[in-house]
Amino acid sequence: QSALAQPPSASGSPGQSVSISCTGTSSDIGTYDYVSWYQQHPGRAPKLILYEVNKRPSGVPDRFSGSKSGNTASLTVSGLQTDDEAAYYCSTYAGRTNMIFGGGTKLTVL
Amino acid sequence: QVQLVQPGSDLKKPGASVKVSCKASGRTLSNYGLNWVRQAPGQGPEWMGWINMNNGKPYYAQAFTGRFVFSFDTSVSTAYLEISGLQSDDTAVYYCATDVAVAGRKAYDIWGQGTTVIVSS
Repeated sequence: QSALAQPPSASGSPGQSVSISCTGTSSDIGTYDYVSWYQQHPGRAPKLILYEVNKRPSGVPDRFSGSKSGNTASLTVSGLQTDDEAAYYCSTYAGRTNMIFGGGTKLTVL
Repeated sequence: QVQLVQPGSDLKKPGASVKVSCKASGRTLSNYGLNWVRQAPGQGPEWMGWINMNNGKPYYAQAFTGRFVFSFDTSVSTAYLEISGLQSDDTAVYYCATDVAVAGRKAYDIWGQGTTVIVSS
């Protein structure tokens, strides 16, 4: 399977909202509600911030939200903070125990 | 709380083999799957596959068949990724990851710190 398609970069000012898209196919995102999102700061391991499209693990602020329509999922970060500057990766289940990640979006807080 | 501990880095020559470890602490992994994820420099993560810690059965993503072997040793609560015939494009950070609080939800909430494998002559 090919990597999920994400825009390489996104940006916003502190306090603003920004959305990042993640496009797959009818065989992965279009079929399964198992889209997850990860935040990764330089030199650190990815951190799970959303799973099953829009569910937040314990400790993740509600400024992070997710949605899905057709073959595309989206992550929205509201009330941008400087610590939100990081790379964001989407991931989805693709059937037969396979998982696919996106190429990543570098979020810059201006 | 489960923690996954990995060594920091390893430098290998082309053609050599490497065995990356992932030690679980805080809770046994026997009820979980242990996944391996590769991240090449400047790239997104790539799911390599997983091993069922209950029965030891591994599953490899299509791009990671042949030179890659997953195993684990329950006596030391440690999983292993072995890569043979190393090539320069195997240079990457290798993470182990599992799902604990989100078990069965096809997401990974526990990650090791990652092991950087550098393949260079």
